[in-house]
Amino acid sequence: DAGVIQSPRHEVTEMGQEVTLRCKPISGHNSLFWYRQTMMRGLELLIYFNNNVPIDDSGMPEDRFSAKMPNASFSTLKIQPSEPRDSAVYFCASSLGQPQHFGDGTRLSIL
Amino acid sequence: KQEVTQIPAALSVPEGENLVLNCSFTDSAIYNLQWFRQDPGKGLTSLLLIQSSQREQTSGRLNASLDKSSGRSTLYIAASQPGDSATYLCAATGGYTDKLIFGTGTRLQVFP
Repeated sequence: DAGVIQSPRHEVTEMGQEVTLRCKPISGHNSLFWYRQTMMRGLELLIYFNNNVPIDDSGMPEDRFSAKMPNASFSTLKIQPSEPRDSAVYFCASSLGQPQHFGDGTRLSIL
Repeated sequence: KQEVTQIPAALSVPEGENLVLNCSFTDSAIYNLQWFRQDPGKGLTSLLLIQSSQREQTSGRLNASLDKSSGRSTLYIAASQPGDSATYLCAATGGYTDKLIFGTGTRLQVFP
């Protein structure tokens, strides 16, 4: 059974560029979560969806960040324009209730 | 606002020791408390989940307890092994939301 699949695994880009992170949740799960992990702030929830509808986006740092879930099997997190302080590991997780199942993350570096 | 802290931040022990990792939370109105393991370069793996009505959960050599009144949870690892080396994170869920508030983690190294 496939787990949560994230792509790309690594992304290096220059400041100002648009970045799109992708996530395929586990089939049958109805909740999807986007997290960001940094040394300074630890693991923080950015946004989560339930049945494809955004429920809580209070963790989204600013308007440069946006997330979509067009269907039950796909979600994107977009940063436009990107800044060096956005460098972090971004995790996607999915669940049917608890616990949450995490992907291996996307390591993002903004130069 | 819920805040979750973990001590110690790092721990290095010889193989075979029994360990206790600590997790504290400020708001006792949690729905459940979870313990995760994170290996370098990997995502999180759920280890144990304790519902607010429960006091402990066990899985193999792992035992997690929950004391809501004192705002504490502990993860007990029996007979530690080098394969237990990883970062351990606890996370609290508040109210009837699926939102997890994570602690900063304890980095564990078990040496042979």
